[in-house]
Amino acid sequence: ILNVEQSPQSLHVQEGDSTNFTCSFPSSNFYALHWYRWETAKSPEALFVMTLNGDEKKKGRISATLNTKEGYSYLYIKGSQPEDSATYLCASRGVNDYKLSFGAGTTVTVRA
Amino acid sequence: DTAVSQTPKYLVTQMGNDKSIKCEQNLGHDTMYWYKQDSKKFLKIMFSYNNKELIINETVPNRFSPKSPDKAHLNLHINSLELGDSAVYFCASSQWGADEQFFGPGTRLTVL
Repeated sequence: ILNVEQSPQSLHVQEGDSTNFTCSFPSSNFYALHWYRWETAKSPEALFVMTLNGDEKKKGRISATLNTKEGYSYLYIKGSQPEDSATYLCASRGVNDYKLSFGAGTTVTVRA
Repeated sequence: DTAVSQTPKYLVTQMGNDKSIKCEQNLGHDTMYWYKQDSKKFLKIMFSYNNKELIINETVPNRFSPKSPDKAHLNLHINSLELGDSAVYFCASSQWGADEQFFGPGTRLTVL
């Protein structure tokens, strides 16, 4: 089972400010890295799936980068809004591995 | 329309009882999963079925038995419930070969 770690565990950010946080994963036998957004009382929703070193993906004000050689990914939120408050999960999948290994998440709280 | 649905949403039961949680997806996916969210909030894979065949079976007590009557359904039956089974259980689905998984709303199981 891959050991996926996320930091920080939680963060608070003022509305309008930008923030970022990290997901680290074993770089050997890497296949794919997922980011999910999980709002309270809802289901996790997929944000990005990344596979290539140097990949950068963007959805609105949220973007992510991937470094497969050193085993980390950053998620960025630009100009945070209260609706960005959620737990952001990352999950890694290895080559020839059918399952995702999830980190514990980073909980973001945006203060108005 | 609900993509991945689970019933019940809440389940409170006594130790030693047998219970089932049902999952249905209307996305036309051929792969379904059961996850358990542990006390540290990690999502841990329990089982996965592809085209009604078991492909992932993690180290889970054999009191837990998944059943997939067709590609759209994956039910989880739990025998002789124990206190430690209390958790939130999430169902998910995906298309084989595609990485993005779609999650259900979760079932909060409380064993008294």
